[in-house]
Amino acid sequence: QKEVEQNSGPLSVPEGAIASLNCTYSDRGSQSFFWYRQYSGKSPELIMFIYSNGDKEDGRFTAQLNKASQYVSLLIRDSQPSDSATYLCAADRGSTLGRLYFGRGTQLTVWP
Amino acid sequence: GAGVSQSPSNKVTEKGKDVELRCDPISGHTALYWYRQSLGQGLEFLIYFQGNSAPDKSGLPSDRFSAERTGGSVSTLTIQRTQQEDSAVYLCASSLDGSGGNTIYFGEGSWLTVV
Repeated sequence: QKEVEQNSGPLSVPEGAIASLNCTYSDRGSQSFFWYRQYSGKSPELIMFIYSNGDKEDGRFTAQLNKASQYVSLLIRDSQPSDSATYLCAADRGSTLGRLYFGRGTQLTVWP
Repeated sequence: GAGVSQSPSNKVTEKGKDVELRCDPISGHTALYWYRQSLGQGLEFLIYFQGNSAPDKSGLPSDRFSAERTGGSVSTLTIQRTQQEDSAVYLCASSLDGSGGNTIYFGEGSWLTVV
């Protein structure tokens, strides 16, 4: 079992809709969770991080964490074509600070 | 510099040759990471440096891979006797320190093609 699993997609939503990206993790010791966005041919860039159970909102983005279910999600409201990218979920290793496990990413396409 | 700097940005090499990839982290960042991303795959951890501590090399896929970090700053990833399966983007990243929650910033990557 991979440490971080994501649905590879592709996920396709119309402009203005809510895009929902999901991720599960296997290491119960993981404390910090990250969502990175990666445009084709570019390096990953951090969108959000979350440590506590519940929701964390930043503009059009909301990260959700449920440690009991080992589940992390990212909601993108009012999706824009510029949001089309691959979204990578990452979790730290509870026992080894600093390193991150990455999922394979979910490819999102927002069509106008 | 303002961001993580990597060189070369692109490298095409013949099978069996050695390659060196360079990373210059963000100034002041003590933690440095190397990841590898093959086409359509997620990021594969390779190695992690934190300050003067012994590096975590547990992600290196074989003994053909090695990395150094001189003076706590610039790092070089060396791949000896390259194979075609080594073709990938090699991403370097740095963070303020290695503690959980510190944002990890990535460089633009070195695209390696082994022919």
